[in-house]
Amino acid sequence: DGGITQSPKYLFRKEGQNVTLSCEQNLNHDAMYWYRQDPGQGLRLIYYSQIVNDFQKGDIAEGYSVSREKKESFPLTVTSAQKNPTAFYLCASRQGGSNQPQHFGDGTRLSIL
Amino acid sequence: LAKTTQPISMDSYEGQEVNITCSHNNIATNDYITWYQQFPSQGPRFIIQGYKTKVTNEVASLFIPADRKSSTLSLPRVSLSDTAVYYCLVFPDSNSGYALNFGKGTSLLVTP
Repeated sequence: DGGITQSPKYLFRKEGQNVTLSCEQNLNHDAMYWYRQDPGQGLRLIYYSQIVNDFQKGDIAEGYSVSREKKESFPLTVTSAQKNPTAFYLCASRQGGSNQPQHFGDGTRLSIL
Repeated sequence: LAKTTQPISMDSYEGQEVNITCSHNNIATNDYITWYQQFPSQGPRFIIQGYKTKVTNEVASLFIPADRKSSTLSLPRVSLSDTAVYYCLVFPDSNSGYALNFGKGTSLLVTP
């Protein structure tokens, strides 16, 4: 989706290092989400945020942290506590109101050096 | 969120119509049915969404029977570029920031 920008597209992390993945949306969407996808698998929810300065843990939040200081931005930090961080990370956003689907960015692929 | 079941994979030839059926036996009254398409190394792309009967757009049609316990995504005259993973999801009609429950989807392979 052109309205959701994830950067960088590829990212490499050294052992014991924290890295931050960027997600920016210009769609004026209220809710934003982070998912993780492993090869051949579906998406699993890490964190989501319905409004600024508020966020909730998803199914696999351990080893990750987020912030939502601005409506358009929802960065994800992969901490050294995440022992298996190699994956494809997807950010999504959704307009407030009922019956609105989520729209996704094109992902960041994180690998361990 | 309601659990969905769909075939792991399907094969088709170019120019054929492809129908992918998804079962969602425990769908709730206020749940909507949504389908996404995902290409390798890209984010899922919204295809179509419906509540009941039939919905059609420029890309696909979605058929939902009266009991809403299943739905069928229909792709007319597929091309090689329709090779992708297709996800069926059910989510509530709600203002809250629901999270989607993606399974493994259906991997569609279109060949010449």
